[in-house]
Amino acid sequence: SQQGEEDPQALSIQEGENATMNCSYKTSINNLQWYRQNSGRGLVHLILIRSNEREKHSGRLRVTLDTSKKSSSLLITASRAADTASYFCATDKAAGNKLTFGGGTRVLVKP
Amino acid sequence: DTGVSQNPRHKITKRGQNVTFRCDPISEHNRLYWYRQTLGQGPEFLTYFQNEAQLEKSRLLSDRFSAERPKGSFSTLEIQRTEQGDSAMYLCASRPPFRGAGTGELFFGEGSRLTVL
Repeated sequence: SQQGEEDPQALSIQEGENATMNCSYKTSINNLQWYRQNSGRGLVHLILIRSNEREKHSGRLRVTLDTSKKSSSLLITASRAADTASYFCATDKAAGNKLTFGGGTRVLVKP
Repeated sequence: DTGVSQNPRHKITKRGQNVTFRCDPISEHNRLYWYRQTLGQGPEFLTYFQNEAQLEKSRLLSDRFSAERPKGSFSTLEIQRTEQGDSAMYLCASRPPFRGAGTGELFFGEGSRLTVL
């Protein structure tokens, strides 16, 4: 079963705009991670946020985590056509064990 | 290239045949994972190994599925008597030894796409 649910399922924006997607999960976690997947390819790790962190930045990415609401958001600023991909959140309940992925948000950035 | 390598990348087979996928993880990674992904869905966990020990198996892994990791290096995932519902992308990922709460990303291969006719 999938722990995370992403919202929206699909997002279409113009180049230069910001893209925001949300992830909700059900059980307590050790950390939450975001991954990107280009069509037909493997997943690439973007960013990890620990359960005791509330916000983290990496380049054009900003991730927030609200453990009281069991939710996280990923913001991509100043989007580019190359950001077109599916984005997945994944939760790590016990550090070192399996990651459980959500259903993903499909992002289309139009040039 | 020192990333995770999966072979074959594509496999087309007829229903009832057996197929085997191979995964070569990053060399110093002691943990290896198999996931299955169908079109438009997120990866679903199948099983994982720490060194050669298979530590967890999903209920998704029916008796027709078997995974091995002899000697704690490469891994194989075999599907016996394939069914059309087995058509999916099979993803392998590896992870270095646990080093604390701020670590733990998975490194994925490009996947093996299975089509069962």
